[in-house]
Amino acid sequence: NAGVTQTPKFQVLKTGQSMTLQCAQDMNHEYMSWYRQDPGMGLRLIHYSVGAGITDQGEVPNGYNVSRSTTEDFPLRLLSAAPSQTSVYFCASSYGLADYNEQFFGPGTRLTVL
Amino acid sequence: AQKVTQAQTEISVVEKEDVTLDCVYETRDTTYYLFWYKQPPSGELVFLIRRNSFDEQNEISGRYSWNFQKSTSSFNFTITASQVVDSAVYFCALSEPVKTSYDKVIFGPGTSLSVIP
Repeated sequence: NAGVTQTPKFQVLKTGQSMTLQCAQDMNHEYMSWYRQDPGMGLRLIHYSVGAGITDQGEVPNGYNVSRSTTEDFPLRLLSAAPSQTSVYFCASSYGLADYNEQFFGPGTRLTVL
Repeated sequence: AQKVTQAQTEISVVEKEDVTLDCVYETRDTTYYLFWYKQPPSGELVFLIRRNSFDEQNEISGRYSWNFQKSTSSFNFTITASQVVDSAVYFCALSEPVKTSYDKVIFGPGTSLSVIP
């Protein structure tokens, strides 16, 4: 089992550019989510999905889109990158709702927007 | 409102010392879950423990122990005989499953632990 994988590990963008952060899991987990981690603020939920075809917004969804066409993949799209989106992004999955269950996290993507 | 406070931003201890990481939470629900995650220097987050609000038994796992006290809304984490490999950022998290809104899992700001050899 590879667990939760994320690509790329590092990315530098210019303001206004768009890109997709990839996330995949091979544990057949229904629940997947995207968080961003900023210094002193813990992790904040961006978007989450409770199954293929179902997504919803988290605490900080503005500027990000997601889709869930398969159980395995949950990409995060930055539509028009801004310096405020400089952060470390984590994808996570869990067997059931994250409310009750441990989440498995990917290694993170460190994004810098210039 | 739901909130998790980890008042200790950074802690440094000498190897073999015991250290306690504090976690204080706020919730109006009677049903909730508490979690601890570890983030070593390599960056990934690793689940350590989950506790539901109806189970106040303390838990011990090797050198790790957790003290859950509903009376003080605290879920503190103690590492006994700390080792250099314990150096990491530790996050406490709270979830309120009965909520219908998105913010069901709230993470604290984290405590950075450095264990000095």
